[in-house]
Amino acid sequence: SQELEQSPQSLIVQEGKNLTINCTSSKTLYGLYWYKQKYGEGLIFLMMLQKGGEEKSHEKITAKLDEKKQQSSLHITASQPSHAGIYLCGAVSDSWGKFQFGAGTQVVVTP
Amino acid sequence: DSGVTQTPKHLITATGQRVTLRCSPRSGDLSVYWYQQSLDQGLQFLIQYYNGEERAKGNILERFSAQQFPDLHSELNLSSLELGDSALYFCASSVSGEDEQFFGPGTRLTVL
Repeated sequence: SQELEQSPQSLIVQEGKNLTINCTSSKTLYGLYWYKQKYGEGLIFLMMLQKGGEEKSHEKITAKLDEKKQQSSLHITASQPSHAGIYLCGAVSDSWGKFQFGAGTQVVVTP
Repeated sequence: DSGVTQTPKHLITATGQRVTLRCSPRSGDLSVYWYQQSLDQGLQFLIQYYNGEERAKGNILERFSAQQFPDLHSELNLSSLELGDSALYFCASSVSGEDEQFFGPGTRLTVL
């Protein structure tokens, strides 16, 4: 089955700085989803990417799916305290429709 | 607020017991998913239903079962509970079962 690897596991960024999180799949992705989670709370949908080379932006967050559709990146510009949390990528992992999430990247934004 | 509701918010029970978690999807969503989140395993997909039928199955134990009812709400039944079943259980819903999922606030299960 498909494995989703996220990097880094965690990162600390100063407020106002940019950050990038990567999600790499062992197989071709047919749909890649990005979510954000505050500790102990439900996941909040950020973006969905389906086509190779696709790029979507919402406010200061941009997500891209590479041409080969095996890697996605999430970029946050000029980070703010509200960007702190755990970011997870998810995808359908096999032809049976089983959904899988990466392990998550914890983002801490310092003053 | 995602529009997905889960009850109860917290549940404390003893080993060997059985519990039922309930989920109401967003209005108009036909598909429901169940996930288990623990510190050591991360977020694990358990099972998905679409319009009352099972669509996809993940790492769901035989002690666990779920169903989606005609009104589209879903229940996850956990039986013969073990300490290791302590976790956050999330329900999510989507329109078609192939689009973005919207998550509920979760049920925190503690097995003592």
